[in-house]
Amino acid sequence: EAQVTQNPRYLITVTGKKLTVTCSQNMNHEYMSWYRQDPGLGLRQIYYSMNVEVTDKGDVPEGYKVSRKEKRNFPLILESPSPNQTSLYFCASSLYQRTEQYFGPGTRLTVT
Amino acid sequence: EDKVVQSPLSLVVHEGDTVTLNCSYEVTNFRSLLWYKQEKKAPTFLFMLTSSGIEKKSGRLSSILDKKELFSILNITATQTGDSAIYLCATTGANSKLTFGKGITLSVRP
Repeated sequence: EAQVTQNPRYLITVTGKKLTVTCSQNMNHEYMSWYRQDPGLGLRQIYYSMNVEVTDKGDVPEGYKVSRKEKRNFPLILESPSPNQTSLYFCASSLYQRTEQYFGPGTRLTVT
Repeated sequence: EDKVVQSPLSLVVHEGDTVTLNCSYEVTNFRSLLWYKQEKKAPTFLFMLTSSGIEKKSGRLSSILDKKELFSILNITATQTGDSAIYLCATTGANSKLTFGKGITLSVRP
């Protein structure tokens, strides 16, 4: 089944403890992206990747890192999480940048 | 900075009503506009529009883009309770970023 998977789905952690949210797609898509969704602010793009080893900042990249070593995987890294990074995170992929995106199921992160 | 504004922010209708959801944008080197539906989970794709004046249609949903006036509308006819969701509009520009609006919360009452 064609899909985007994210892990974990739910995570509660403490300030400063490094964490990684994994994202994987099995559709051979070139473009992958991370978003956070907050009430009243909608979906905001954190980072995106046009292809392997090519990543760029979205609208809210501060406090996040990404890497794209393989086409299928695009992990999101929070080196030192803070409470303002408590949010619902979505990974998405698409064949190319301007085609429709397929979203993962979301990761609800709480930083205390 | 690219901007996408959706209106209204929320609305409540009764089953059988027709609704029109609006999306206006300011995007450098506009490439495409996309509509998504989000229920209690991840957004799912509805339409992608690149050409002005050409209507995309899927069942009771349809959408059209006006590149001169920089807006799009999403129409839903004969609404059903299953149409209750957040409807998201997003644009793509030359810099490969996607910019989403804040979404429109639609509630359809029986």
